[in-house]
Amino acid sequence: AQSVTQLGSHVSVSEGALVLLRCNYSSSVPPYLFWYVQYPNQGLQLLLKYTSAATLVKGINGFEAEFKKSETSFHLTKPSAHMSDAAEYFCAVRRNNDMRFGAGTRLTVKP
Amino acid sequence: KAGVTQTPRYLIKTRGQQVTLSCSPISGHRSVSWYQQTPGQGLQFLFEYFSETQRNKGNFPGRFSGRQFSNSRSEMNVSTLELGDSALYLCASRGTSGGNTGELFFGEGSRLTVL
Repeated sequence: AQSVTQLGSHVSVSEGALVLLRCNYSSSVPPYLFWYVQYPNQGLQLLLKYTSAATLVKGINGFEAEFKKSETSFHLTKPSAHMSDAAEYFCAVRRNNDMRFGAGTRLTVKP
Repeated sequence: KAGVTQTPRYLIKTRGQQVTLSCSPISGHRSVSWYQQTPGQGLQFLFEYFSETQRNKGNFPGRFSGRQFSNSRSEMNVSTLELGDSALYLCASRGTSGGNTGELFFGEGSRLTVL
């Protein structure tokens, strides 16, 4: 069975600082991997996805993630945090019809 | 292309009542999934429908049910509401044609409050 672990339920960074949100997955075969963002009282919005075409994936709003098979990781990064990045972020893994979400990481951006 | 539409956005019910939530997927998407989101439990998978058939089901009691119509629109129903059913209910659709990578497209959710 596949699963997703997001390390750190809360991450706080200063505006302009590097954002690093961690995600590890367990899967017997390389899966499809996703990062979603959720703003208060809204649904989830796709940030980026890994589909085996390239290990470094660029998404919207300046985010990117790198698939590292040896580490079974798919960490999300952004070089410089903006106040508008404050939200909850979910990592997800799909294999066939099974989509699993991590518990989420709430990102706070301090001015 | 219109996104996933959920109605109603907000509703308040009392214990023991029932509720029906509606979801219209993105045009052409035949798969619709439902999730319950609460602060304590996070995102929990309820069920997935494809071509009017339930394909997957999460670990929820029988009070939670759903259906899908021939136009791919879906409804979920919760009967005999309990206080713990207060949550944001999210619907998501996805394309299932060949080459599709399976990302889910979410609606804005229906926030249910049970008093």
